[in-house]
Amino acid sequence: DQQVKQNSPSLSVQEGRISILNCDYTNSMFDYFLWYKKYPAEGPTFLISISSIKDKNEDGRFTVFLNKSAKHLSLHIVPSQPGDSAVYFCAATESNSGTYKYIFGTGTRLKVLA
Amino acid sequence: EPEVTQTPSHQVTQMGQEVILRCVPISNHLYFYWYRQILGQKVEFLVSFYNNEISEKSEIFDDQFSVERPDGSNFTLKIRSTKLEDSAMYFCASSVSGYEQYFGPGTRLTVT
Repeated sequence: DQQVKQNSPSLSVQEGRISILNCDYTNSMFDYFLWYKKYPAEGPTFLISISSIKDKNEDGRFTVFLNKSAKHLSLHIVPSQPGDSAVYFCAATESNSGTYKYIFGTGTRLKVLA
Repeated sequence: EPEVTQTPSHQVTQMGQEVILRCVPISNHLYFYWYRQILGQKVEFLVSFYNNEISEKSEIFDDQFSVERPDGSNFTLKIRSTKLEDSAMYFCASSVSGYEQYFGPGTRLTVT
């Protein structure tokens, strides 16, 4: 069951530069998407969301872009900071189901180099 | 800032024993969830709970699993007879609307 895929297991970026994390999905019924950040031995921390009625959502240094035709979303972090080093998960749900069950990707480990 | 809390942080149990994992969701939230993450794998949905009943459960959530919201603040996950393959991090999450879900720090369950 690979409905949500993060094809890059890891990414290294210099401090101050842009980090771009990618996520692809296969289920066209998904209409709400979340990004989470996870540090070791902690729970996922909610970062930002996007509904399928939008193609962009911005919150401070974090911007999520959604390309519905390509079934692709990306998270941009600008500027990247060493504290952003963590594993990032995208998650998707079909809100019409009413249960808001999220399907998670496998995660991308981001390392921001000082 | 309100947060989801979970106890215990680590539970070690023998195969066949019952365990109860506890969660206190954020107080004004209405939707409650359990997810798990086996080491090295992705976070997987187990069950969603709304209006005092299960709204959806995954195929992982078999008859050995149950959830309860006994007193309006706690939300528990019970595994009746644990198996080795139940060893994982178990995360509780809650949400006001279902959309943005806030996770607790997790309980590491080790079944020996």
